[in-house]
Amino acid sequence: NAGVTQTPKFQVLKTGQSMTLQCAQDMNHNSMYWYRQDPGMGLRLIYYSASEGTTDKGEVPNGYNVSRLNKREFSLRLESAAPSQTSVYFCASSEDRSYTDTQYFGPGTRLTVL
Amino acid sequence: AQSVAQPEDQVNVAEGNPLTVKCTYSVSGNPYLFWYVQYPNRGLQFLLKYITGDNLVKGSYGFEAEFNKSQTSFHLKKPSALVSDSALYFCAVSYPPTGTASKLTFGTGTRLQVTL
Repeated sequence: NAGVTQTPKFQVLKTGQSMTLQCAQDMNHNSMYWYRQDPGMGLRLIYYSASEGTTDKGEVPNGYNVSRLNKREFSLRLESAAPSQTSVYFCASSEDRSYTDTQYFGPGTRLTVL
Repeated sequence: AQSVAQPEDQVNVAEGNPLTVKCTYSVSGNPYLFWYVQYPNRGLQFLLKYITGDNLVKGSYGFEAEFNKSQTSFHLKKPSALVSDSALYFCAVSYPPTGTASKLTFGTGTRLQVTL
């Protein structure tokens, strides 16, 4: 039981390049989330998916797109990377849509945009 | 809008001493509060949560948190700190879904430094 896994662990991009961050969970959770972590700002929600086939914007969605490929996988795409997107990205999942549920986090992807 | 505040960027404590990491919240309705810990270069790990009931919540690694409704606080505590507790701690509040998944709002984090 690996929990939440993310690939890659590290990535360096040039401004304007695109890339997709991958996330998978093996806990049969319904909801999945993408956050970014910046110094002094905590974690901010980018996008989330309540269930397979649905996605919604979070607090900071601009410049990102997501795909809930199936129940296990939730990817985050940067179409044209900008230096402001340099951050650590975390994927998380939770069992269902109850707001008392715990979210479980992956190990993160450290992205640098030059 | 829901929010949490962690007023201290860093807390320093000697090993063996009690520790407190502070968190205050602002929500409309019932608060659902969480504490997470992040060790260097790792993801967030769940410590504990308050949903309802007993105001003292016990969690992982000997941590506990006290919910105080009148002071709108949810401070994290441990009776005896360990050097291995040194990490970044986040308080978060969950708010009800509006037809979709629940969401967490995080505080800015408090770095705990435990020294010998």
